[in-house]
Amino acid sequence: DIVMTQTPLSLSVTPGQPASISCKSSQSLLHSDGKTYLYWYLQKPGQSPQLLIYEVSSRFSGVPDRFSGSGSGTDFTLKISRVEAEDVGVYYCMQGIHLPPYTFGQGTKLEIK
Amino acid sequence: QVQLVESGGGLVKPGGSLRLSCAASGFTFSDYYMSWIRQAPGKGLEWVSYISSSGSTIYYADSVKGRFTISRDNAKNSLYLQMNSLRAEDTAVYYCARDQPPHPFDYWGQGTLVTVSS
Repeated sequence: DIVMTQTPLSLSVTPGQPASISCKSSQSLLHSDGKTYLYWYLQKPGQSPQLLIYEVSSRFSGVPDRFSGSGSGTDFTLKISRVEAEDVGVYYCMQGIHLPPYTFGQGTKLEIK
Repeated sequence: QVQLVESGGGLVKPGGSLRLSCAASGFTFSDYYMSWIRQAPGKGLEWVSYISSSGSTIYYADSVKGRFTISRDNAKNSLYLQMNSLRAEDTAVYYCARDQPPHPFDYWGQGTLVTVSS
């Protein structure tokens, strides 16, 4: 199974400042169809997870443009350009290329300073 | 709007069984793949099982293979997870989620808690 490793596991950010989360996969997530099957989810406190980013860098419907995803192969990054209070929660990366199983990273907890 | 509502969770003894349900509305259920994902208390997300739109293709995580059975009834817009031989490590909130490229898990239910304890 593909192992997804996120860093850091927690971060504390001042509102208005940027934040960055790294996700590394144990195998390339680039498919022969040219797409890279890497996703980002946010689980806000007390809520179900929500999809933020699909296929590395495409924002899902309704996701603010302060969220951006980048990367290729095995190294990926989620960036928040200016953190807001509503961004607190746990962020997960997930791979969807070598199924089954889907595998998630351990999660990165974002707190506001 | 898309809605997924899980039910059927509860307290069960080790070795027992439970059947979870997920009622879908707001979209054409029969067009979509679906998955179950769980989250142990204070832990991360673990994908459990997948079923194709027709039910012809099914996958399981190794941790539940042979014990859990996923199924669906497209006429009732419902997804199910039959869980047998339950273990303490199956204790988790179980979510159903819509699973369709290019947006896997774009909608999630609120989750149902399964507690396996004597």
